[in-house]
Amino acid sequence: GENVEQHPSTLSVQEGDSAVIKCTYSDSASNYFPWYKQELGKRPQLIIDIRSNVGEKKDQRIAVTLNKTAKHFSLHITETQPEDSAVYFCAASIGNDMRFGAGTRLTVKP
Amino acid sequence: KAGVTQTPRYLIKTRGQQVTLSCSPISGHRSVSWYQQTPGQGLQFLFEYFSETQRNKGNFPGRFSGRQFSNSRSEMNVSTLELGDSALYLCASSFPANTGELFFGEGSRLTVL
Repeated sequence: GENVEQHPSTLSVQEGDSAVIKCTYSDSASNYFPWYKQELGKRPQLIIDIRSNVGEKKDQRIAVTLNKTAKHFSLHITETQPEDSAVYFCAASIGNDMRFGAGTRLTVKP
Repeated sequence: KAGVTQTPRYLIKTRGQQVTLSCSPISGHRSVSWYQQTPGQGLQFLFEYFSETQRNKGNFPGRFSGRQFSNSRSEMNVSTLELGDSALYLCASSFPANTGELFFGEGSRLTVL
């Protein structure tokens, strides 16, 4: 099955700085790449996603880029705020088989 | 629309016992996936069901099994529990017309003593 690697495992930034999380995937057939945010004690929730026919997508302070040739994709958060503190998971899927990375714990220090 | 519901939310078992977890998907969602979440390991894929058929399976031993009923509700079973099975088990449903968003339940936290 698909294998997704995610880096870094922890990330600490000052409020207002940018944060970047990177993921690689193994199966070139993967065609959907979502990012989920999981706050402490809560369920993971989708924050942004990108499909394989798109190279970049932006939603306010969040953007995702995809490089199909290199099989990697990244999450960019600008102007970070304390409420961005959470665990972020990337995922890659083929059909309804979705595999997740190990997660990045982001801490935004006020 | 009600969200994904998982029961029980918390349970404690001892080694060697078995456990059954239940998941009711969002109304109209026919795909149900199960994940095991442990610190440092992220979300490990167990299996995915659609129309009562297991379509995809992760790399877990045969002690982990599941099924889906005609109303799309799903159960997963873990037999001969081991200490390492302690985890949060998350169920997620999706509308499977195209690959898309997974909607997660709050999870069932299993502790094996």
